[in-house]
Amino acid sequence: GQQVMQIPQYQHVQEGEDFTTYCNSSTTLSNIQWYKQRPGGHPVFLIQLVKSGEVKKQKRLTFQFGEAKKNSSLHITATQTTDVGTYFCADNAGNMLTFGGGTRLMVKP
Amino acid sequence: DAGVTQSPTHLIKTRGQQVTLRCSPKSGHDTVSWYQQALGQGPQFIFQYYEEEERQRGNFPDRFSGHQFPNYSSELNVNALLLGDSALYLCASSLYTGSANEKLFFGSGTQLSVL
Repeated sequence: GQQVMQIPQYQHVQEGEDFTTYCNSSTTLSNIQWYKQRPGGHPVFLIQLVKSGEVKKQKRLTFQFGEAKKNSSLHITATQTTDVGTYFCADNAGNMLTFGGGTRLMVKP
Repeated sequence: DAGVTQSPTHLIKTRGQQVTLRCSPKSGHDTVSWYQQALGQGPQFIFQYYEEEERQRGNFPDRFSGHQFPNYSSELNVNALLLGDSALYLCASSLYTGSANEKLFFGSGTQLSVL
């Protein structure tokens, strides 16, 4: 079945540094959704990308969907301690989401 | 405007027992999906309910079953519990649009521990 892979698994950054997580699939992704899960919390929807090559920004967060729709990325500029959490990408194939394993971001103040 | 509510928040069971988890969707939503999240992993799709019927199912055994009520709330039942069923069970609600662009709202989950 569909497999979605994320790298890296963990990332430690100093506050103010940038952070990027990558989402890859061997098959074409339908739509990509990104979620953030704080420690001890539940996934919270961030954004959905639908079109090939799409780029969307939310303040310090930039989301990209690859031209071949087989990869996506989330980039955070100048991380803050409030960015701590695990970031998941998920392939939205109609009625079900296939999640990647997530990238856990830790920010040192 | 109530979000997605799940009960109970924590549950401890022993192997072989049965468990029922409950979910009330966000106001205005008509679709409920259930996900299992093992520690350190991404959520895995169990099944989705719409119009009181199971619309799609993930790769989970028949021990996992569910139900949706006329008020759109839902239950997840797991029979013959195994140690490996220990996980956070997440309920997510959405409004069916038929466009595959539905945004999911997750509840806080039920942490199930099987001893």
